[in-house]
Amino acid sequence: DSGVTQTPKHLITATGQRVTLRCSPRSGDLSVYWYQQSLDQGLQFLIQYYNGEERAKGNILERFSAQQFPDLHSELNLSSLELGDSALYFCASSVGGAKNIQYFGAGTRLSVL
Amino acid sequence: SQQGEEDPQALSIQEGENATMNCSYKTSINNLQWYRQNSGRGLVHLILIRSNEREKHSGRLRVTLDTSKKSSSLLITASRAADTASYFCATDAKKAGTALIFGKGTTLSVSS
Repeated sequence: DSGVTQTPKHLITATGQRVTLRCSPRSGDLSVYWYQQSLDQGLQFLIQYYNGEERAKGNILERFSAQQFPDLHSELNLSSLELGDSALYFCASSVGGAKNIQYFGAGTRLSVL
Repeated sequence: SQQGEEDPQALSIQEGENATMNCSYKTSINNLQWYRQNSGRGLVHLILIRSNEREKHSGRLRVTLDTSKKSSSLLITASRAADTASYFCATDAKKAGTALIFGKGTTLSVSS
């Protein structure tokens, strides 16, 4: 158990809809990262938050947004969903610092039908 | 975009054999890490090697790093069926705290 909790585990929705994925980082970790994993694109970094503030952005679509709350949990919002958004979405957390070892949650499998 | 590229994409071996996976990357790095992912599960950190290190060991794992060639290798000795998983190398830029850039992974299958 990595200590990172993601909910829900599975999500099935229709095109055009909006969903929210939730992540609780390991106790004490200030950084939260969101990744998308699909067969064709591999594991892609989306966005990072550190102690409530956006720290870095990767290949995140404008239809996607995220935030980190004062209690350090994070949410990833995906809107106007398309078939191609079907993927595994992972949250990872780290304490930060030079080593940057990240601890991953079990992921949310999103299916857009 | 992918920073690391693993080679081979897939590897099938028998229990007890050694498995070697390679990773190449493009830009200067701070650290290089290897992660394992069991099918459909989250990634698990295996080992980290700093850019000023050449070799590191952890149990049955041995990692080498050649910064002049921008490449790394992961050796798993005496493989077990439980080692069946996908293995990813991940690099970060020379600034602490940035996101990891993952390769596409090597899928290892160990049969008993």
